[in-house]
Amino acid sequence: AQKVTQAQTEISVVEKEDVTLDCVYETRDTTYYLFWYKQPPSGELVFLIRRNSFDEQNEISGRYSWNFQKSTSSFNFTITASQVVDSAVYFCALTTAGGTSYGKLTFGQGTILTVHP
Amino acid sequence: EAQVTQNPRYLITVTGKKLTVTCSQNMNHEYMSWYRQDPGLGLRQIYYSMNVEVTDKGDVPEGYKVSRKEKRNFPLILESPSPNQTSLYFCASSGRGTQYFGPGTRLTVL
Repeated sequence: AQKVTQAQTEISVVEKEDVTLDCVYETRDTTYYLFWYKQPPSGELVFLIRRNSFDEQNEISGRYSWNFQKSTSSFNFTITASQVVDSAVYFCALTTAGGTSYGKLTFGQGTILTVHP
Repeated sequence: EAQVTQNPRYLITVTGKKLTVTCSQNMNHEYMSWYRQDPGLGLRQIYYSMNVEVTDKGDVPEGYKVSRKEKRNFPLILESPSPNQTSLYFCASSGRGTQYFGPGTRLTVL
C-alpha cells in the first residue's frame, strides 16, 4: 500500500518569509513518481512538479525549490520569499509506474499555507 | 491550449435525478481518471481508464459509472445521486505520468 503524509496541517507566515512544506511517502515499488500540486482558493489543482524515483536531483524554479531524499522517503517543498499569492493548499502525491496502482495518485492530506501581508 | 475541461462547473440537484459530468481532454492522453475531494478525507480516486473501452474501479466507485468510448472524453455518471455524493469532483488525464486536472465540478445533492 502507498501512503503520503503531510504532517503540517496549516502553516501561517508573513510575506517574504521562507517556508518549507514537508512530505513523507511510503511505497514498496522501486519505480514511482512524486508530485506537488497547488490548490488556490479558486479550487483548481495546479501541477507544480514531478520527480522520478531514480532522479534525486533537487530542483529550483524561481522562488520554488524541491528537496527529494530517498534515504528518508521525503520530498519537501520550499517557497523562498513567500508572497500573498502563494496562499493555497499544497498537496504532495505519489504514483507508481506499473501494476494495479498504475496511474492512481495517492495524495497527502494537504497543507494549508497562509501568507499574511 | 492543452487542457482538461469539465462541465458543469457547479450543479445543485435532488436525490435520485440522474446526472452526467462531462470531461474532455485535448492532449491525446490515454489515461484518464475521476477523483472526489471531501473535507477530512482528501482526494480519492473514483474510476480510471487506461484507454478507450478500458475502465476500472478506483477506491470509491460505489454509486458511479463511467464510459470511455472516445479517447478524449470520460464522462462520470451518477444514476441515482444521493446526498453523500455531494463533493468536489476532478477529472484528470495523463500522458507520460503527470496528471493534469480539470477545473473541478462542485456538486450538491439535496
